Amino acid sequence: NAGVTQTPKFRILKIGQSMTLQCTQDMNHNYMYWYRQDPGMGLKLIYYSVGAGITDKGEVPNGYNVSRSTTEDFPLRLELAAPSQTSVYFCASRLAGGERTQYFGPGTRLTVL
Amino acid sequence: GQQLNQSPQSMFIQEGEDVSMNCTSSSIFNTWLWYKQDPGEGPVLLIALYKAGELTSNGRLTAQFGITRKDSFLNISASIPSDVGIYFCAVIQGAQKLVFGQGTRLTINP
Repeated sequence: NAGVTQTPKFRILKIGQSMTLQCTQDMNHNYMYWYRQDPGMGLKLIYYSVGAGITDKGEVPNGYNVSRSTTEDFPLRLELAAPSQTSVYFCASRLAGGERTQYFGPGTRLTVL
Repeated sequence: GQQLNQSPQSMFIQEGEDVSMNCTSSSIFNTWLWYKQDPGEGPVLLIALYKAGELTSNGRLTAQFGITRKDSFLNISASIPSDVGIYFCAVIQGAQKLVFGQGTRLTINP
C-alpha cells in the first residue's frame, strides 16, 4: 500500500489563480480530511468527508471547496488564491469505526504571491 | 474554537537526556493522541490514549491520560538524534475532528 499520497509537493501561485490539490488513499478508508498547517502552528481542519458523495466543513473552510466522487480521492480546490492561503496542506484518512487513527500524507507546500 | 495548550513550545537538550512535555485543555476529552512530525513530512501517530489515568508506553516513549481528562503528558527517555522533530498533542472533538496543540519543537545537541 502507498498509503495517503498528495500531489503536487510544492506549488507557487499568483493571487487570484486557482488550483486543485490532489489526495489519494489506497487503504479503502471511508473518512478523509484536509488540514492546513501555518508556520509554528498545529494543524487546522478545512474540510472532511465520511464517504463518497458526503463532505462537511471543518474549522477553516472559507476559500476552499472539496468533492468526494470516489472512496479513494478527495481533491481540495482553491478558486481565487490569496496570500492568506500560503500554508502546508495535509490530507489524512482513517477507517470508519473502531480506532480513530488518522494517517497523514506528506503534504503540499503552497505559496501565494 | 477549542484550544489545547501545549508546553514547552521548544526544547534544546543534550543527547541522552530525558524529555517531558504536556498538554492541557479547559474541556474534557475522551481520547488523547500524541503525534510526531519530521521536517517535510506529515504527522505520525506515536501513542493513543483512550482511558482516563491510562499510562501507555511505546519503546522509549511514555504517555499518560490525565485523571481529569483535561490533560496529558509525553515523556521520552534517553533521547537520541532521531527524536528531533515537532511533537503535537491532539484530541478528538465530536465524531470527526482532530484538534491539535501548537506543538513542541525538540532539538538535540549531540
